[in-house]
Parts: sequence; C-alpha cells; structure tokens
Amino acid sequence: QKEVEQNSGPLSVPEGAIASLNCTYSDRGSQSFFWYRQYSGKSPELIMFIYSNGDKEDGRFTAQLNKASQYVSLLIRDSQPSDSATYLCAVRDTGRRALTFGSGTRLQVQP
Amino acid sequence: DGGITQSPKYLFRKEGQNVTLSCEQNLNHDAMYWYRQDPGQGLRLIYYSQIVNDFQKGDIAEGYSVSREKKESFPLTVTSAQKNPTAFYLCASSPGRMGKKENTEAFFGQGTRLTVV
Repeated sequence: QKEVEQNSGPLSVPEGAIASLNCTYSDRGSQSFFWYRQYSGKSPELIMFIYSNGDKEDGRFTAQLNKASQYVSLLIRDSQPSDSATYLCAVRDTGRRALTFGSGTRLQVQP
Repeated sequence: DGGITQSPKYLFRKEGQNVTLSCEQNLNHDAMYWYRQDPGQGLRLIYYSQIVNDFQKGDIAEGYSVSREKKESFPLTVTSAQKNPTAFYLCASSPGRMGKKENTEAFFGQGTRLTVV
C-alpha cells in the first residue's frame, strides 16, 4: 500500500519563528502534493499544492518538493498562535486518482 | 455559494443499525470521496467515485456502501457489518476529469461525527 509519512509531533515553535513540517511518500510516480490545515474538530482546509520540483511560495507559506528524495515540506514563516493546528500532507495516488494522507503533524505556536 | 454540504453534523447509531450520511456538492465536480478519521490519525479512504454511476473501494470499504446516481450526491451508508463505526466522516470532491491532471486538489465538507450508542 502506498504510504505518506509524517512526524506526529507536537512541533512547538515560538511566535514569529519559522515552522518546518516534513513529509515523505512511497509512490515514486506521484505528481501532485498537497498541504492541508486541520483545526481540532474541524474539516481539513487546503493551504497549498505543488507539483514541480523546487519551492512554491504563497504569503507566509512555502512548499518545497524534491521528487528524487520523495520528500515534500511546508515552511511557515512568522508563525502565529492561530497557525496552531494539525497539518496534513497528501499525495495524489497515480493509480486511483484519490489523495492518500499522512497522519498529520500537530503544530503548537507559543505566544 | 459553492461548496460541499454534509448532514447531519452529529449522528448516533445503535448497535446493528444501518445509517446513511449525506454529501451534496454544487461545485460541478466529477470526483467525490469518503474518508474516515479516527482521533489523532490521518484520513483513510473508504470509497471514491470519478464519475456518475461508478465508484470504487478505497482502503477500508468493508462495512460501508455508497451510490452515485447523481453528479451532486454521494451518500455513504454505514452498515451493521462495520463493527467499529465511531469516527469523523469526511466527504470531499475534486474537479477530477474536468480539471488539469495535476491540480486535483480535494475540497472537504464540514464532516459528520458518528457515535455508536
């Protein structure tokens, strides 16, 4: 079964710092990668997607993809307490055309 | 407003009872999905559908059934064969065949929290 791995955390960073969230995946043929944020008791909301090697920036968020290493990351600059949530990495399954999710990393931003 | 509507928000099921979770979308998306989330865990795929009148089993389909008679609707039935149904159920949709091959991001409804009583 194709897998997506994330460190469950919690990852604790002080307010204003950079938070770095990492994800590895097993399906070498995957082309599309997604980061979702999920607040406790709520449904996931899409933050970013990336499908080319390198960096993609959107405001305080930067997604990084390295297909050779099968690694995708999310950087959050100037972290705010409101960023405290679980971050889910998802990879599009090339066979089923559905998203496979990691178990998520819980981020805590300390005021 | 376009979006995905799940109902009910909370559902209680008695032992041996079948229950149906509703999912409706007005985004004109081809693809729809059902995921299950247990506390502290990620999302696991139950069923998915890429087009009307067609659906496929995901990783944990046992004890569940679905139908896709209309593009807008993808209801999930939790049958009595599902021995541990207490979980948070999430419905999602994506452009699927409509959109670019690369950008098949999924958008989620608000979820249904199912509890066995």
